[in-house]
Amino acid sequence: DIQMTQSPSSLSASVGDGVTITCRASQSISSDLNWYQQKPGQAPRLLIYAASSLQSGVPPRFSGSGSGTDFTLTITSLQPEDFATYYCQQSYSTPYTFGQGTKLEIK
Amino acid sequence: QVQLQESGPGLVKLSETLSLTCTVSGGSVSSGSHYWSWIRQPPGKGLEWIGYAFYSGSANYNPSLKSRVTISVDTSKNQFSLRLTSVTAADTAVYYCARLWRYGYFDYWGQGTLVTVSS
Repeated sequence: DIQMTQSPSSLSASVGDGVTITCRASQSISSDLNWYQQKPGQAPRLLIYAASSLQSGVPPRFSGSGSGTDFTLTITSLQPEDFATYYCQQSYSTPYTFGQGTKLEIK
Repeated sequence: QVQLQESGPGLVKLSETLSLTCTVSGGSVSSGSHYWSWIRQPPGKGLEWIGYAFYSGSANYNPSLKSRVTISVDTSKNQFSLRLTSVTAADTAVYYCARLWRYGYFDYWGQGTLVTVSS
């Protein structure tokens, strides 16, 4: 199985800040990397697919980059609704696997 | 707008079989571009992909669960189902159904249903 490791596991930021979350794969996964946002009591929501493509309806303050083993999710100008847990997921091969999550909290 | 809704018992006894159904509206399970998937999340923990099925009957499962899991698609009812046998406490989780693009990402999710395994 391909292991996905996110860092940091948690971070604190203020409204208006920019943040970057990193996801590392245990082997090369080309650009087969997706990002999700999950709020308490809700299902995950797809933000970014294929490493850098913005899902329809997702604000452009979210962006993704990377290829191979290292990927980043960047959120510029944080809004109150962005405080949530973020997960990466590889779609290079089955079993599909997720990172352990990064909890973004309000400072 | 595609919507998915899980249904099934919220409590399953130890060693018995967990059965859930996902009803799809606003789209067709017979779509050739999508697979139909189940993902679970133990309380306070991360996400685990269980498997997916295609309308034709083919399926792909997580090896960690493969011996106990079956996912099937019912095109006549526009539903798909999960069956997990011989459950243990480790199977207690919120179970999500989701639409999976053939490129490997989950673009629509159900709201999730908590299944607790009890002794």
